[in-house]
Amino acid sequence: QSALTQPASVSGSPGQTITISCTGTSSDVGGYKVVSWYQQYPGTAPKLLIYEDTKRPSGVSDRFSGSKSGNTASLTISGLQIEDEADYYCCSYAGSTTFFHVIFGGGTKLTV
Amino acid sequence: EMQLVESGGGLVKPGGSLRLSCVVSGFNFSTYSMNWVRQAPGKGLQWVSFISSSSKYIYYADSVRGRFTISRDNARNSVFLQMNSLRAEDMAVYYCARSNYFDPWGQGTLVTVSS
Repeated sequence: QSALTQPASVSGSPGQTITISCTGTSSDVGGYKVVSWYQQYPGTAPKLLIYEDTKRPSGVSDRFSGSKSGNTASLTISGLQIEDEADYYCCSYAGSTTFFHVIFGGGTKLTV
Repeated sequence: EMQLVESGGGLVKPGGSLRLSCVVSGFNFSTYSMNWVRQAPGKGLQWVSFISSSSKYIYYADSVRGRFTISRDNARNSVFLQMNSLRAEDMAVYYCARSNYFDPWGQGTLVTVSS
C-alpha cells in the first residue's frame, strides 16, 4: 500500500485560509468515510483534528474543517494563527473483507 | 484525564529484540481497540499494528508481520509490542494510540537499532 499523497509544504499569513490536500484511491480515501487528520508539533505526539472525513473532536477549534471529494480529502484551516505552524498528516483505512490496513499521508509542513 | 505511557524503548543491535509496553489510564481500556504507530527520525507516521478490545482481531503492517507481536492485558490496562529480528529500518519513535481513529496518543518511546 502506498502512502496517501500530500503536498510537502504549504504556507500562509496570519488570518488567511489554507487547504491541505490528501489524495488516495477508491480503495482507501474514496472508499470509506474514515479519513482522519492529525497535527504534530516537533518532538511531540500527534493530535487528532478531524475524523470520519468531516467531524471535529470536542476541544478542537472550529477553524479546522475537513472535506472530501472522490479520492481526495482536504483539511482547511481558516483564520491562520502562528501556533498553527506544525506538521499535518491525513490517514485512511485501506482494508477490505480479507485484510486490514491503515495508511498515512507523507505529511505537510505548514509555515505561518 | 486520559493517559497513555509507553516504555521499553532503547538501543538494540540488528537482529535483536525489544518489548514495548503502553500503560493506559483515564478510560475503560478493556472496551477499546489499540494500535501501535511509529515514526522514523525526520519521517512521517506509519501504522504498525492493531488489536481489538478482546484480542480477537489482530493485524500488522506488511513490513513487520512475522517479526512483531501485539498483545494486551486488560487486567493491567496495558498493550504490548514484542519486536524480534529488528532491522535498521525499524528505528523509530513508537507510539501507542487508542482506536477508533488514533486518539489519544502516548508520548512515544524511541527504538534505536544500530550495531
